[in-house]
Amino acid sequence: ELKVEQNPLFLSMQEGKNYTIYCNYSTTSDRLYWYRQDPGKSLESLFVLLSNGAVKQEGRLMASLDTKARLSTLHITAAVHDLSATYFCAVAETSGSRLTFGEGTQLTVNP
Amino acid sequence: DTEVTQTPKHLVMGMTNKKSLKCEQHMGHRAMYWYKQKAKKPPELMFVYSYEKLSINESVPSRFSPECPNSSLLNLHLHALQPEDSALYLCASSRTATGGWDEQYFGPGTRLTVT
Repeated sequence: ELKVEQNPLFLSMQEGKNYTIYCNYSTTSDRLYWYRQDPGKSLESLFVLLSNGAVKQEGRLMASLDTKARLSTLHITAAVHDLSATYFCAVAETSGSRLTFGEGTQLTVNP
Repeated sequence: DTEVTQTPKHLVMGMTNKKSLKCEQHMGHRAMYWYKQKAKKPPELMFVYSYEKLSINESVPSRFSPECPNSSLLNLHLHALQPEDSALYLCASSRTATGGWDEQYFGPGTRLTVT
């Protein structure tokens, strides 16, 4: 059974600081997704990482995937308040029809 | 058009009511999904339809009854729900149902409250 672990689960940071969210998963997969969710809203797709070594950047967020280490990171650069949200990683099983989600990281960026 | 729509946005129902949630997509996707999400938790997969056939039922109680009338439309019929069924219900679609290999596009969700 595929297990996905995110850490930290809660992150409070100051504006302007950098930080990294980690997503570890337990079995082989070559496809990983990062989503953002604002309170009461749906999931917004941030990044789709398709292969080992994939790196994608959008604004202050950068995601990477190391399939050998079974690890993805979401790096936040110079955080701003608007980034406050919950961030989920989700890993595709190599067989079957499921995405397995991490528990989510609740990010709060303080002025 | 990469939009998945869901209606209603909010639903309050009593435990004896029957109601339905509706999901629609016009992207030509052949896989559609229902997820349940409790506050501060990740989405939990409930059902997967592939080419209008139910392919996965994650041991969901029978008070939830999915229906896929055509490739664009997915319903979730609700009957005799319990207060613990209150949650955000998310619909998603993808090109095919090959797991997460095709990106899933999520709808805005229906916030369900069972009283």
